[in-house]
Amino acid sequence: DVKVTQSSRYLVKRTGEKVFLECVQDMDHENMFWYRQDPGLGLRLIYFSYDVKMKEKGDIPEGYSVSREKKERFSLILESASTNQTSMYLCASSFASDRGNWFGYTFGSGTRLTVV
Amino acid sequence: SQQGEEDPQALSIQEGENATMNCSYKTSINNLQWYRQNSGRGLVHLILIRSNEREKHSGRLRVTLDTSKKSSSLLITASRAADTASYFCATGAGGTSYGKLTFGQGTILTVHP
Repeated sequence: DVKVTQSSRYLVKRTGEKVFLECVQDMDHENMFWYRQDPGLGLRLIYFSYDVKMKEKGDIPEGYSVSREKKERFSLILESASTNQTSMYLCASSFASDRGNWFGYTFGSGTRLTVV
Repeated sequence: SQQGEEDPQALSIQEGENATMNCSYKTSINNLQWYRQNSGRGLVHLILIRSNEREKHSGRLRVTLDTSKKSSSLLITASRAADTASYFCATGAGGTSYGKLTFGQGTILTVHP
């Protein structure tokens, strides 16, 4: 069964800590994405990557960075966690879209991060 | 930026009834997708419709797309209690968007047994 695995389901961190959220996919997908989901705001794109070592900012990249050293792994880094980064974080992956071929995302189960 | 907006925000029906959810978007798209999310979990891809398609079926799901009105609808027929979830539409643009999707805020569907 194809999978996107997020390393933690629940995480509690202190303000100012550096936080790493890990995401691994086993489908050889080119694209990987990080979203955060908040009540009333839906899903908002933080960063995405379309190839190893390649990354693009999404709609809300401030306070975050990402790393993609290997095709299967895409890490989200909160440089200095703040309480307004308390949220559900969702990782997703997909095949690359080209010549009009579009593909759905496969999502991980999410990481609910609380910053205290 | 929010592209898709779902309507209604919440829908409550009885088992066996049909559920219809609508999605409107603002800019031109290459495709539109629907996803389902059970409480506190990740999203699951349901169906994709391309901008040159008008209707698509998958089991009890029927999706329509009207690009002139920039809107789509998801119909779930003969609903079951297990269909209780949040449903999101997501739009994909063309060009060098790398398959990036923009999600709406979702419709919460409750199906009562």
